[in-house]
Amino acid sequence: EVQLVQSGVEVKKPGESLRISCKGSGYTFTRHWISWVRQLPGKGLEWMGKIDPSDSYTSYSPSFQGHITISVDKSGTTAFLQWSSLEASDTALYYCARLASGVDYFDYWGLGTVVAVSS
Amino acid sequence: QSALTQPRSVSGSPGQSVTISCTGSSSDIGNYDYVSWYQQHPGKAPQLMIYDVNKRPSGVPDRFSGSKSGDTASLTIFGLQADDEADYYCCSYTGRSQVFGGGTKLTVL
Repeated sequence: EVQLVQSGVEVKKPGESLRISCKGSGYTFTRHWISWVRQLPGKGLEWMGKIDPSDSYTSYSPSFQGHITISVDKSGTTAFLQWSSLEASDTALYYCARLASGVDYFDYWGLGTVVAVSS
Repeated sequence: QSALTQPRSVSGSPGQSVTISCTGSSSDIGNYDYVSWYQQHPGKAPQLMIYDVNKRPSGVPDRFSGSKSGDTASLTIFGLQADDEADYYCCSYTGRSQVFGGGTKLTVL
């Protein structure tokens, strides 16, 4: 069974750094791109970026480029979403999702990680 | 990349049909047959309902149907049921990335 297991709730202060994770199981992790999707409180889904776990090639939305970093671990089973300096506006629910192919649809989703940033 | 345009809300009675539109441009919907639709119930992760414009994953009822004309994609739900009440999002490939629609809240009256 394909599963994407995300890390737990994070409560941080503005300016702090953070890395959240998404561990894949039940399939060959390096065969499918992983995307990160943001959902602001009460709002819609926003595509942030994606990574090819086979070679760590990344593509970012212009809206998030320079503010986030997407990576994978060397063992090739976990993807990460990282901020070097959080802002209050980063408070949101973050989903990881598996791309069925490099360009196509998201066939499996994690349950989401809540990130709360407040002074 | 601007978000795809969806109506904020639609509604219908049980048994009726509703259609949700998703308008993009020649840079996304108009240029690629990689449109997908997701259903999200409150407090839950999104679930894939339609992919590649009009294909249904296994387990999704055939009451859900997708189509596309030019820069606009559509999701039609036939025979509305109470459990269809949810938020629906369209998504398109854009050449290097993906873009979502703003979401449509479906209310079953």
